[in-house]
Amino acid sequence: RKEVEQDPGPFNVPEGATVAFNCTYSNSASQSFFWYRQDCRKEPKLLMSVYSSGNEDGRFTAQLNRASQYISLLIRDSKLSDSATYLCVVKARGGNKLTFGTGTQLKVEL
Amino acid sequence: NAGVTQTPKFQVLKTGQSMTLQCAQDMNHEYMSWYRQDPGMGLRLIHYSVGAGITDQGEVPNGYNVSRSTTEDFPLRLLSAAPSQTSVYFCASSGGRGSSNEKLFFGSGTQLSVL
Repeated sequence: RKEVEQDPGPFNVPEGATVAFNCTYSNSASQSFFWYRQDCRKEPKLLMSVYSSGNEDGRFTAQLNRASQYISLLIRDSKLSDSATYLCVVKARGGNKLTFGTGTQLKVEL
Repeated sequence: NAGVTQTPKFQVLKTGQSMTLQCAQDMNHEYMSWYRQDPGMGLRLIHYSVGAGITDQGEVPNGYNVSRSTTEDFPLRLLSAAPSQTSVYFCASSGGRGSSNEKLFFGSGTQLSVL
């Protein structure tokens, strides 16, 4: 089983729709969680950290469920510019290593 | 600030050739790392460094060397290129003084093809 698993998609949604991605992780000792965004042929960029209590940044909401070992990303009112690949990233306790998922591709259409 | 500068952007090598991918950051970050990204595999850590003079292996270190003689620079050397090293390579850094070392700043990537 992969350490971090994501549905590769693509998720094709109309502009204005709400879309959610899940990511599961296998290491119960994982400490920190993040969502990165990667545009086609570009470098990944941090979208948001994921906190235990859940957090929101504008149209984006991230949730963590430690009991079921998954994190989620919800995007409301999707824009064309949200089209990208979203990478789930997990950091284990006591180390520097970040483990990346393979990403979920989102395509927002007119 | 330029952030993380990575060169070259594209490179084609023949099997057995050696080369160095350059990476420099101007954010005084202590942590620097190299990843490779392959279709369906996600980003995989090759080598990393937590400070000048300190390097360690990541998930896929074979065939690669690194050194960290200064805080700013973290070059990645391919000793004898193989077709299996065809990939997109990213350098990343994090952890300025007093800040979290968890937010990675990436270079723009190097697309390497080994024939």
